[in-house]
Amino acid sequence: QKEVEQNSGPLSVPEGAIASLNCTYSDRVSQSFFWYRQYSGKSPELIMSIYSNGDKEDGRFTAQLNKASQYVSLLIRDSQPSDSATYLCAVRYAGGTSYGKLTFGQGTILTVHP
Amino acid sequence: EAQVTQNPRYLITVTGKKLTVTCSQNMNHEYMSWYRQDPGLGLRQIYYSMNVEVTDKGDVPEGYKVSRKEKRNFPLILESPSPNQTSLYFCASSRAGASVYTQYFGPGTRLTVL
Repeated sequence: QKEVEQNSGPLSVPEGAIASLNCTYSDRVSQSFFWYRQYSGKSPELIMSIYSNGDKEDGRFTAQLNKASQYVSLLIRDSQPSDSATYLCAVRYAGGTSYGKLTFGQGTILTVHP
Repeated sequence: EAQVTQNPRYLITVTGKKLTVTCSQNMNHEYMSWYRQDPGLGLRQIYYSMNVEVTDKGDVPEGYKVSRKEKRNFPLILESPSPNQTSLYFCASSRAGASVYTQYFGPGTRLTVL
């Protein structure tokens, strides 16, 4: 069973700090990695995707991928109270028969306090 | 407005009473999928569809049926609901090809089976 593991948290950071969210996955052949954000009572929305080793930056968000160590992380710089949400890591496993299938972690709850 | 809609948003029913949750998207997406979200388990795929009349099982298909007779609609059918199907259900859609993993989620349907 391929798995995606996240610390459930909650992770609490002060406003303006860097929030670091981590995700590990079990299959070395995984190809694509995604971070979704889910506000309480709302549906998930895609905020970042990353496909190759290294860093990918988009505004205050940076996704980091290390395939050798099988982890992907999301850094949120200058955290704001509006960033308080559950962050879901999702992995596309290569070679599977299930087209379009994403395997999600259980999510990390982030709270940014003023 | 581009969106995925689900109905009903909330449903309380009793064991064994057949129900259908509708899902509709107005983005002409080829790919549609159903997920359930349970505390501590993340999002798990139930069924997905690559296009009209093409459907396949996800990770947790037992107790569910789907159909895809029109491109915009992808209803989820519970023929004989049981209490372990109490969950939050999300429908998602995306374009085919490389964009299939950029999935747009509906608002969710909270189902309680007594």
